[in-house]
Amino acid sequence: SQQGEEDPQALSIQEGENATMNCSYKTSINNLQWYRQNSGRGLVHLILIRSNEREKHSGRLRVTLDTSKKSSSLLITASRAADTASYFCATDEEGAQKLVFGQGTRLTINP
Amino acid sequence: NAGVTQTPKFQVLKTGQSMTLQCAQDMNHEYMSWYRQDPGMGLRLIHYSVGAGITDQGEVPNGYNVSRSTTEDFPLRLLSAAPSQTSVYFCATGGGNEDTQYFGPGTRLTVL
Repeated sequence: SQQGEEDPQALSIQEGENATMNCSYKTSINNLQWYRQNSGRGLVHLILIRSNEREKHSGRLRVTLDTSKKSSSLLITASRAADTASYFCATDEEGAQKLVFGQGTRLTINP
Repeated sequence: NAGVTQTPKFQVLKTGQSMTLQCAQDMNHEYMSWYRQDPGMGLRLIHYSVGAGITDQGEVPNGYNVSRSTTEDFPLRLLSAAPSQTSVYFCATGGGNEDTQYFGPGTRLTVL
């Protein structure tokens, strides 16, 4: 069963705008991770946030985690055409690297 | 440094055939896993291994076997292929002080 529910399922914005994707999950977690998948390719790790962290930044990425609401958000600022991809959240309940993925958000950046 | 490699990239099988999907890593990671991705879906864990000689089942293990005789290799065997196993299969590794995983490029499998 899918642990994460991602919202929206698809998002289309203009280049330069910010993109926000949300992820909700059901159980307690050790950490939550975000991955990017370009069409027909494997997944690339973007950022990991642990259950005792509330916010984390990496370049143009900002991730927040609210364990009381069991939700996370990924913000991509100043989007670029190269950011067009599917984005997945994945939860790790035990810190054992047994990831449970959401269904993903398809992000399209229009030039 | 090749990272995580998977072979073959594409495969077409007939129902009932068996085959092995190969996964190899040169990152010296202890943890390896297999996921499948169906259209419009996230990944689901099939089997995983925390080290040579140790394997365990994930969320969707039925119809698949794994073994881990070396740190580098983690093959996934389909015993008797079924159309429901048509999917893209990803191998991933992780370990050390990181909790992140590194994914291979995937094998696209079609079962007719």
